[in-house]
Amino acid sequence: QSALTQPASVSGSPGQSITISCTGSSSDIGSYNFVSWYQHRPGEAPKLIIFDVNSRPSGISNRFFGSKSGSTASLTISGLQSEDEADYYCTSYTSSTFHVLFGGGTKLTVL
Amino acid sequence: QPQLQESGPGLVKSSETLSLTCSVSDDSITNDKYYWGWIRQPPGKGLEYIGSIHHSRSTFYSQSLRSRVSMALDTSENKFSLKLTSVTAADTAVYYCARHYNRPSNYFDHWGQGTLVTVSA
Repeated sequence: QSALTQPASVSGSPGQSITISCTGSSSDIGSYNFVSWYQHRPGEAPKLIIFDVNSRPSGISNRFFGSKSGSTASLTISGLQSEDEADYYCTSYTSSTFHVLFGGGTKLTVL
Repeated sequence: QPQLQESGPGLVKSSETLSLTCSVSDDSITNDKYYWGWIRQPPGKGLEYIGSIHHSRSTFYSQSLRSRVSMALDTSENKFSLKLTSVTAADTAVYYCARHYNRPSNYFDHWGQGTLVTVSA
């Protein structure tokens, strides 16, 4: 089974908003609201920032917003800050034997 | 907040078995709510799911690694482990352990710092 599809890179200036897409299929994102997003800075552990499509763990800024339409999930980051520069990964539950699918990751550059 | 810490050899010879352990503190691996999982990141590549284990001994393994992967729990030490057999250079990666919530839903809410494993010829 293929990984979820994310753009390789996105960029934005401080204060702007960006959106990262994550495209799956009817076996995963299209059928289940079990999409999560992770922020991964080099040398650090990945951090959960969104779960269940649009829920934020305690302590995560409300500048991070998750959504879903059909088989595509999206992560929007508003009011970009330099500290947001990182790799972002989506995951989804899948009814195939993988159980967990990861996206290929998107590198966010804050200009 | 649970803390997870990976440990194991940083260098494994090709065709041998990779063995890693994840020590968990401030939570119990017998917590019925959670699975305990492994994810890896090859150099320059994205995150890849390896598998997860529950204290009931239920396991999920990635289809691509299923034939070479096994996981186990040590409840007395509050640790869980990963074994990957017949490794090749393609198994060189940073290996992360994480707490996995999937009943229902599906996310990894706490992660270890990761440990680099290099497979040598």
